[in-house]
Parts: sequence; structure tokens; C-alpha cells
Amino acid sequence: GEDVEQSLFLSVREGDSSVINCTYTDSSSTYLYWYKQEPGAGLQLLTYIFSNMDMKQDQRLTVLLNKKDKHLSLRIADTQTGDSAIYFCAEADSGGGADGLTFGKGTHLIIQP
Amino acid sequence: KAGVTQTPRYLIKTRGQQVTLSCSPISGHRSVSWYQQTPGQGLQFLFEYFSETQRNKGNFPGRFSGRQFSNSRSEMNVSTLELGDSALYLCASSLMASGGARDTQYFGPGTRLTVL
Repeated sequence: GEDVEQSLFLSVREGDSSVINCTYTDSSSTYLYWYKQEPGAGLQLLTYIFSNMDMKQDQRLTVLLNKKDKHLSLRIADTQTGDSAIYFCAEADSGGGADGLTFGKGTHLIIQP
Repeated sequence: KAGVTQTPRYLIKTRGQQVTLSCSPISGHRSVSWYQQTPGQGLQFLFEYFSETQRNKGNFPGRFSGRQFSNSRSEMNVSTLELGDSALYLCASSLMASGGARDTQYFGPGTRLTVL
């Protein structure tokens, strides 16, 4: 079955870059998403990438996709305290997510002053 | 444009009771999906509705059901509540349900259900 894996924790210093990694198993994935969840809140869509792309940049966010290795990463430049949250990687299958998105367990991003 | 809204935000029930949660999608969105989030299992897909029809259902027992109204608002119902049903229930809406970037799912704040 489909599986999405992420490391559980990442600790970075304020001002440094954060790189959150994700691997997935479904080769038919068409869209891959990054969501952010702050305590007590729902999921906020950060960005997404289509599977025929290898990079997407959006202000401080850079998404890299290695389709051959089924590896996705999210880089946050100049990490701030407001970036402290849980980051979820999710994939939609070729049906556009008709079976729902498959999520990783989430990476807790911890910002050190 | 208003985001996805969910009511109530918090709910406490006892075992054996039933509960109904409500979700109003972003205006113009016709697809509504429901997810359960727990510390142990993470985010799991419950079901998706499009044009008042359930398109897909995740691996949950029949106690979990839902429906969608003509205005795209959706409700989910859980009958005979169990302690393990305690979770954050998230609703997400998207424009369509046919694939493509326009199907990006936007999430509401969730309903926190506690079963005692």
C-alpha cells in the first residue's frame, strides 16, 4: 500500500535554513503537498509540486522532488520562531486524491533561539 | 473569501452516544473530504463527498458515516462512540474531485472530539 515517511523531529537555530525530508512509495503519485499545523489548529497548505517538476520555489520555501528516489524535501530559508509547527508531507495518487491524501506522520520543527 | 468552517470546535461525549459534526466548504468548492487525526495513527482518510455522493471511503467501520447537502455543506456522524474515537476530525474542501492542482484540499480548523 501507499506509505509516506518523515522523520519525527527537526531542531534548527533561528535564522538558519530548515530542511524537512519525506519519502513516499506510490509511484503513481501525481501531486505532493506540504501542510503546516500549529498547535490546536487545522492544516495550512504551504505549497505543492506536480510530479513532472523537480523544483518549486515560493518566497522562503523551496520544494525539491527526486522522483527516481521518491524523495521530497521542503527547505525553509531564514527560519523564524513563527515557523515552529508540525509539517506534513502528503501525496495524491493519479486519481487526484480520490482516495484521499496519504499523509506522513509529520515532522515537528523546533526553533532554537 | 471565507475558509473552511467546522462546528462545533470542541465536543465531549460518553461511550455509546452518537455525534454529528458539520463542515462548510469554501464558497464554490464542491468536494468535501473528512480525516481523523490521532497521535497514534496520524491523519487518516475517512471519506469524500462530491455533488452529494460519497465517492470514496477509507478503512473505517460502518459507525462512521456522512452526507453532503445540495449547498455542498457536509456532516459526518459517528454512532455508538468508543474511547478510541477521541480525535481531531478535520474537514477539507476542494473545487472539484477529478484530479489536478485545482483539487488542492484546504482544511478547516477541526473538531476536537473527546469520548469519556
